Amino acid sequence: GAVVSQHPSWVICKSGTSVKIECRSLDFQATTMFWYRQFPKQSLMLMATSNEGSKATYEQGVEKDKFLINHASLTLSTLTVTSAHPEDSSFYICSARLGTGVNTGELFFGEGSRLTVL
Amino acid sequence: QKEVEQNSGPLSVPEGAIASLNCTYSDRVSQSFFWYRQYSGKSPELIMSIYSNGDKEDGRFTAQLNKASQYVSLLIRDSQPSDSATYLCAVVEMNTGFQKLVFGTGTRLLVSP
Repeated sequence: GAVVSQHPSWVICKSGTSVKIECRSLDFQATTMFWYRQFPKQSLMLMATSNEGSKATYEQGVEKDKFLINHASLTLSTLTVTSAHPEDSSFYICSARLGTGVNTGELFFGEGSRLTVL
Repeated sequence: QKEVEQNSGPLSVPEGAIASLNCTYSDRVSQSFFWYRQYSGKSPELIMSIYSNGDKEDGRFTAQLNKASQYVSLLIRDSQPSDSATYLCAVVEMNTGFQKLVFGTGTRLLVSP
């Protein structure tokens, strides 16, 4: 399968600071990447769809000014959690889709980034 | 957002048995369905994709799709303790201009030696 790399794997920060998470597709070009968040014992919740060269599409209830997404190239998308607070502590996972047709929606996930805000 | 529903489990099966995982979805126009496996603390990994009604087999895994009943399942034959994980059903939700993948809450599978 396709390889998606995410960095850092885990990060601990103080409340009020900003944290940037990188997501790279290593062996394919991803026009679209997706950012998910997963709280303990819950499923993945889509935060936003990141489109190369254009603004991200955010899901309802996700603050776009707090979760800044940049997709500057076909292999890199970044998520910046601005002014992080303890309630932002979660497992953030990026993914990229291989193919663009209706029947090629397979998503490949990065390793995930566990954020702990003190 | 349309719904994808799974029994949270845990589903406990002995080693060597068949594990049956079920999923229902509400979006009638969905065409693409996926099963992901997620170990604790790790990100999901794709196991199977299925797009047409019927069965699709890959090794010990068989995905079954029934669009009329809006039902998709995953069978794991000869279950192994290493199969113990949470299995996530995912459905592509069709929206104007783009698609997105909606996940169920997952079924936790425990395979005992």
